[in-house]
Amino acid sequence: AQSVTQLDSQVPVFEEAPVELRCNYSSSVSVYLFWYVQYPNQGLQLLLKYLSGSTLVKGINGFEAEFNKSQTSFHLRKPSVHISDTAEYFCAVSVGQAGTALIFGKGTTLSVSS
Amino acid sequence: AAGVIQSPRHLIKEKRETATLKCYPIPRHDTVYWYQQGPGQDPQFLISFYEKMQSDKGSIPDRFSAQQFSDYHSELNMSSLELGDSALYFCASSLAPPLGSTYEQYFGPGTRLTVT
Repeated sequence: AQSVTQLDSQVPVFEEAPVELRCNYSSSVSVYLFWYVQYPNQGLQLLLKYLSGSTLVKGINGFEAEFNKSQTSFHLRKPSVHISDTAEYFCAVSVGQAGTALIFGKGTTLSVSS
Repeated sequence: AAGVIQSPRHLIKEKRETATLKCYPIPRHDTVYWYQQGPGQDPQFLISFYEKMQSDKGSIPDRFSAQQFSDYHSELNMSSLELGDSALYFCASSLAPPLGSTYEQYFGPGTRLTVT
């Protein structure tokens, strides 16, 4: 079975500071990895995904993540955050078969202040 | 681009009533997923359908049932509602290979169900 652990439940940062949201996964098979963002009272928006190939993936809004197979991690980073990045961020894993569920982590609340 | 449509967006029901949530996937998407997100919780997978057949099943209560229709839209039927069913219910859709190049799921805006 797959599982996802997001190591920080809350991350407060100041505007224009860099940020890293940590995600570790557990799986006995190859997985696909995703980061989703959820703004207050809204749905889930895909930030970026790792399916194969380059381990550094770039997403929307200036976010990027690096897949590290040996450490089973998929940490999300942004070099300079904005107030508008304040949201809940979810790391998710899938084994990729059609119809297979996404398994989500518990989420990390990113709070950006000025 | 067209997105996943869910209706209604908000629903208030009383205990022991029934509710039906609808999901219209992105055009040409053949797979639909249902998730439940309780207050302050991560989304929990309920059930999915691929080409109108149940594909995967998660923590869906026996009081709930779902199906996917010939036009690929899906409905989640919830009976004997309990206070604990109050949550945000998301539908997501995806396009399986060979037409789809990824397995990523696109989420709708959700239906907020409040049971009083």
